[in-house]
Amino acid sequence: DIQMTQSPSSLSAAVGDRVTITCRASQDIGSDLNWYRQKPGKAPERLIYAASSLQSGVPSRFSGSGSGTEFTLTISSLQPEDFATYYCLQHKSFPLTFGGGTRVEI
Amino acid sequence: EVQLMESGGGLIQPGGSLRLSCAASGFTVTDTYMNWVRQAPGKGLEWVSIIYNDGNTYYIDSVKGRFTVSRDTSKNTLYLQMDSLRVEDTAVYYCSHKGFWGQGTLVTVSS
Repeated sequence: DIQMTQSPSSLSAAVGDRVTITCRASQDIGSDLNWYRQKPGKAPERLIYAASSLQSGVPSRFSGSGSGTEFTLTISSLQPEDFATYYCLQHKSFPLTFGGGTRVEI
Repeated sequence: EVQLMESGGGLIQPGGSLRLSCAASGFTVTDTYMNWVRQAPGKGLEWVSIIYNDGNTYYIDSVKGRFTVSRDTSKNTLYLQMDSLRVEDTAVYYCSHKGFWGQGTLVTVSS
C-alpha cells in the first residue's frame, strides 16, 4: 500500500497568513493526488485534483504543486472559513489512501 | 447540478447487516466511477471501495468479502451492502463522485 504522510499534523495561524501543507508519498504517484478541506461536522470538499488543478468554484487562494512523492497545498491568504482539516489523497493505486490530516486552527 | 444523498445508516449489532444507499442526481451513476469513503468518530478519512462504469469494483482489505458495492440504473442509486459488521466499521459513510460528496450517513456497530 502507498503511505501518505502529511505534515504538520496541526498548525496555528491567523487570518491573512500564508499556509503551506505538505504530503509525502511512500512511492512515486506521478500527479495522482487530490487535496480536500473538511470543516467541522461537514463532508469533505475537493479543492485540488491532479496535484495542481483547481476544482471549479474553489477560490484562487488555494494552489497545489508537486509530483512524484512530494506535494504541497498552499493557501495564500487564510480566511475564516479555512480553519478546518485538510487531507491529501493518492489515487495512483489501490487501496486509495489519505494522509492523516492537517488541522488548521487559530 | 450534481447532488448525492446517502441514507440507510443506523445502530446495528456486531455480525449484523446494513445496506447504505446513495441517491444521485445531475449525472448517471453507471456512466462513471463512484467511491465510498468512511470516517470513524474523531478520526481521518478512509477510502472503502470504488465501482467503475464497467462494473469493476475494488475494496480496502478490511472489508473484502463483507462489503459489496452495486448500482441501480432505474433509481440512479449507488449501494453499499455491509455484512458481518464489526465494531471497527463504526463511522460516517460518504459516497463521492469526482469532486462531489454526499452529507454522509452514520453507521454505529455496537452491542
